[in-house]
Amino acid sequence: EAAVTQSPRNKVAVTGGKVTLSCNQTNNHNNMYWYRQDTGHGLRLIHYSYGAGSTEKGDIPDGYKASRPSQENFSLILELATPSQTSVYFCASGRQNTEVFFGKGTRLTVV
Amino acid sequence: GDSVTQMQGQVTLSEDDFLFINCTYSTTWYPTLFWYVQYPGEGPQLLLKVTTANNKGISRGFEATYDKGTTSFHLQKASVQESDSAVYYCVLVNYNQGKLIFGQGTKLSIKP
Repeated sequence: EAAVTQSPRNKVAVTGGKVTLSCNQTNNHNNMYWYRQDTGHGLRLIHYSYGAGSTEKGDIPDGYKASRPSQENFSLILELATPSQTSVYFCASGRQNTEVFFGKGTRLTVV
Repeated sequence: GDSVTQMQGQVTLSEDDFLFINCTYSTTWYPTLFWYVQYPGEGPQLLLKVTTANNKGISRGFEATYDKGTTSFHLQKASVQESDSAVYYCVLVNYNQGKLIFGQGTKLSIKP
């Protein structure tokens, strides 16, 4: 069973603060993704990566950075968090153009 | 660019009712289409895959088909159960960029 682990599972941050969401996968998948989930929008792609050292902008990258230091780890960074970034964030991993496997999500609240 | 539209935001049915969810898509590539399901507190997981090669996928009593002429794809189940309560997403694979494009999701609620 493919495993994707996200941490933390819940986070409360203050406006203007820095937030780092972490993701680890043990599937040896090249591709990793960060999505956010909001009511009425489904899942929207923020950043993705084809492998260690690579990051690509998704459909809604503004206000977010990503880092892929190794095959297993992919982080999402909010340098200056805003209340509009309150959401549930999902990390996923997969091989090119096949099924992706999701973590359980991180609920982020920016106050 | 590639896109997926899922109009039914919420569907409420009784047990043993017929389920039908429809999506439309737009792509310049040969489409590969997924249906994902998300249960409360979990991440989405793959339910079905449909390709131009097979035109149909079947899993756990669900059936997915696609219609190239109307660029739409459908998820159906003959008789829903309370355990089917979840959010269902239609998903288009963008081969050029290797990413998945999600529809807005349909929340299925089953009245006991």
